[in-house]
Order: sequence, then structure tokens, then C-alpha cells
Amino acid sequence: NAGVTQTPKFRILKIGQSMTLQCAQDMNHNYMYWYRQDPGMGLKLIYYSVGAGITDKGEVPNGYNVSRSTTEDFPLRLELAAPSQTSVYFCASSYTGSGANVLTFGAGSRLTVL
Amino acid sequence: AQTVTQSQPEMSVQEAETVTLSCTYDTSESDYYLFWYKQPPSRQMILVIRQEAYKQQNATENRFSVNFQKAAKSFSLKISDSQLGDAAMYFCAYRSDVGGGADGLTFGKGTHLIIQP
Repeated sequence: NAGVTQTPKFRILKIGQSMTLQCAQDMNHNYMYWYRQDPGMGLKLIYYSVGAGITDKGEVPNGYNVSRSTTEDFPLRLELAAPSQTSVYFCASSYTGSGANVLTFGAGSRLTVL
Repeated sequence: AQTVTQSQPEMSVQEAETVTLSCTYDTSESDYYLFWYKQPPSRQMILVIRQEAYKQQNATENRFSVNFQKAAKSFSLKISDSQLGDAAMYFCAYRSDVGGGADGLTFGKGTHLIIQP
């Protein structure tokens, strides 16, 4: 099993550009999450989804959009990139929302906005 | 909202010694899980250990064990016989089990663990 796959691993954007971070999981997990990790900080939740067609905002959603058209995919869209969005982004998934089901993380995507 | 606090930005320990990383959390809920994650320079998030709040017994995984004090809302990680491969950032995290726990993990800011050879 591939687990959680994120692409791209690295990307440099210019201010004002847009891009989509891709996330795919092959474990038939219902719950999916996007986190960002700033230097010296823990991970903060951007958006999450409890199933296809259902998404909700996390702690830091401004400047981002998500969609969940299939169980497998949960892309994160950055519109009008800003330097404040320079960060490492992690996608994660779990079968349910219970802590009994551990989150599986992707390898991360490092984004730099110049 | 829940908060997780790690008060030690950095810790250093000699190889083969024991080190304890501290974590406190704030919640009004009774059903939850606590986790320690390791993040090496590769950035991969690796689960180290998990504790269910309803269990009084402290979780143990080989050289890793926790001291879970529910009333004090404290969840420390003890690493015995430290090895060079233990060097990493360690994150304490909380996950609610109330209402299905949809919104994932709440993380602390992390502790950078250095292993001195």
C-alpha cells in the first residue's frame, strides 16, 4: 500500500500565483486532513473532510480552499499565494474520527512563496 | 478549544541515558486520546506512542513510556537507553473522541531532542 501520497514535494511560487497541492490515499479512509507546519511550530489544521462531498474549516483556513469529490483525493488549493503561506504542508487520513484510529501522514510538501 | 503545551523547546541527553519530555494539555472533555509523534529531519511524522484517557495504565512501547496524569492533565514521554536515532523533534498531540472526533489532532509546538554521543 502506498498510504498517503502528496505531490509535489517541493514548490516555489511567486506572490499572487495559485497552485494545488495534491493528496491521495489508498486505504479507504473516510477522514482526511490538511495541516501546515511553520518553522519551530507544531502542525495547525487548515481544513478537514469526513467523507466525499463534506469539508470543514480548521484553525487556519484563510487563503486556502479544498474539495473532496472522491474518498481517495483531497486537494488543497492556494489562491493568490502570499509569503505568509510559506510552510510545510501535511496531508493525513484516518478511517474514523476516533483516536482509536491513528492518523497516517503523507511525507509533506514544502512550499516557498517569494 | 483544546490546547497542548510543550514547555521545553530543546532537550539534550547523553547516549544510553534516560530523558523525559514534558507535555500538558487543557480540555473539558473526558473522552480523548493523547499521542507522541517523532519528526526526524526527513519530516515524516512517526507515531511513537498512544494513550487512551480512560485507561489508567501508562502506555509502553519498547524503550518509550509515558507518565499519564489525567487529573493534572500531564502526559510526559520517557525515553530510556537513548540512541542516536532518537534525535528528532517530538510533538505531543491530543485528539478528542467527543462527537466523533472529526477535527483531528491538536499539536504542541514540539521539543527538539539532541542525543550527545
